[in-house]
Amino acid sequence: EDQVTQSPEALRLQEGESSSLNCSYTVSGLRGLFWYRQDPGKGPEFLFTLYSAGEEKEKERLKATLTKKESFLHITAPKPEDSATYLCAVQAGTQGGSEKLVFGKGTKLTVNP
Amino acid sequence: ETGVTQTPRHLVMGMTNKKSLKCEQHLGHNAMYWYKQSAKKPLELMFVYSLEERVENNSVPSRFSPECPNSSHLFLHLHTLQPEDSALYLCASSPTPGPYNEQFFGPGTRLTVL
Repeated sequence: EDQVTQSPEALRLQEGESSSLNCSYTVSGLRGLFWYRQDPGKGPEFLFTLYSAGEEKEKERLKATLTKKESFLHITAPKPEDSATYLCAVQAGTQGGSEKLVFGKGTKLTVNP
Repeated sequence: ETGVTQTPRHLVMGMTNKKSLKCEQHLGHNAMYWYKQSAKKPLELMFVYSLEERVENNSVPSRFSPECPNSSHLFLHLHTLQPEDSALYLCASSPTPGPYNEQFFGPGTRLTVL
């Protein structure tokens, strides 16, 4: 069964204190790993897609990396506006039908000024 | 309007009521999805539609009934719900239902069942 585990569940940082969020996965035939940001009361906002081990993508203070077993979302010098829940999802190959996304529970990030 | 929109944003209903959630995507995508997001749980896929045809039904109780009249609109009809159905219901769309496609989400409908 495809599984996604995110850690930690919650993370508090001071403004400017860099850190990383982890997403470990077990899937049969990874088609893609997706990172989303979700603010309270809103839908998830797409951040990155990673397709193969060794791939990296960056956007402002965020950098996502991928290995064969996990992905990291590195946050460099975070600001209070980076506070949100970060969701990881994997898309695995299936026999017939759609390749659905399997989500982790998310990491709730709080950045204090 | 841009992206994916959902109405209503908040809904309170009794267990005997019938209501509908609406989703509209303005992205020209061909696939649409309903997800359920409960506290402390991962997003759960409920239904997938591709070009107005349902391609996946993720063992969802029959009190949830989806409808996709065209590739831009998706409805979720609700009847005789239970309190445990209270959750954030999210609609998403993607270019196709296949692999390598990012899904774009709407803001969600916060449903409370009394």
